[in-house]
Amino acid sequence: EDQVTQSPEALRLQEGESSSLNCSYTVSGLRGLFWYRQDPGKGPEFLFTLYSAGEEKEKERLKATLTKKESFLHITAPKPEDSATYLCAVQFYNQGGKLIFGQGTELSVKP
Amino acid sequence: NAGVTQTPKFQVLKTGQSMTLQCAQDMNHEYMSWYRQDPGMGLRLIHYSVGAGITDQGEVPNGYNVSRSTTEDFPLRLLSAAPSQTSVYFCASSFDNEQYFGPGTRLTVT
Repeated sequence: EDQVTQSPEALRLQEGESSSLNCSYTVSGLRGLFWYRQDPGKGPEFLFTLYSAGEEKEKERLKATLTKKESFLHITAPKPEDSATYLCAVQFYNQGGKLIFGQGTELSVKP
Repeated sequence: NAGVTQTPKFQVLKTGQSMTLQCAQDMNHEYMSWYRQDPGMGLRLIHYSVGAGITDQGEVPNGYNVSRSTTEDFPLRLLSAAPSQTSVYFCASSFDNEQYFGPGTRLTVT
C-alpha cells in the first residue's frame, strides 16, 4: 500500500535556527510530490511541486528537495511567521492522480 | 478572484440529519475534490471530479454524495449524519497539479 510519512510530528525552533522536515513515501510510481503550508483554522496553501529525483525548488526561506524515496523541506533562518503545519502529499500513477497526504509537521518558531 | 469558497464555515448537526456543504470556485478549474481532516489522520480524499458531469470516489466515500452540474460548483451531501463524520471538510480545485483549498467547514455531529 502506498503511504506517506512525515517526521518529526512537531518541531520547535528558535528564530534563526535552520532545520529540515522530512517526507518519506513507499515507491510505487511517483508522479509528483507536493508541499503545503497550513495555518490554524485555514485551508492548506500550495508551496511546491517536485517531479523527479534531484529536483529542487526554493521560495524565500524554504527549499524543497526530492530523492527517490523522500523529500526534505529545508527552512533557513526561520522567523516566527514561518510557524505553521507543513503538509506533504504524493501523487502516484496507480492511484489515478489522487493525492495522498502525510500527517504533517507542526513547526513552531520562537523569537 | 475569490478562489475557492465554502459555506457554511461552522455547522452542528444531530445524528441522522442531512445537509449539503457548498463549494464554489471562480478559476474555471476542471478538477475539484473534497477532503476531510481529522487529528492524527491527515487529509483524506472523499470524492473528486475531473469535470462537469463526472465524479468518482476517493479514499473515504461512504456516507457522502457529490454531483457536478457546473464547472464552478461541487457540493458535498451528507445523507444521514453520524458522529464519525465530525471533522473539518476542505474543498479544493486544481490546475496543472496545483491544488487550491477553500477555508474549510467545521462540522460537528452530536
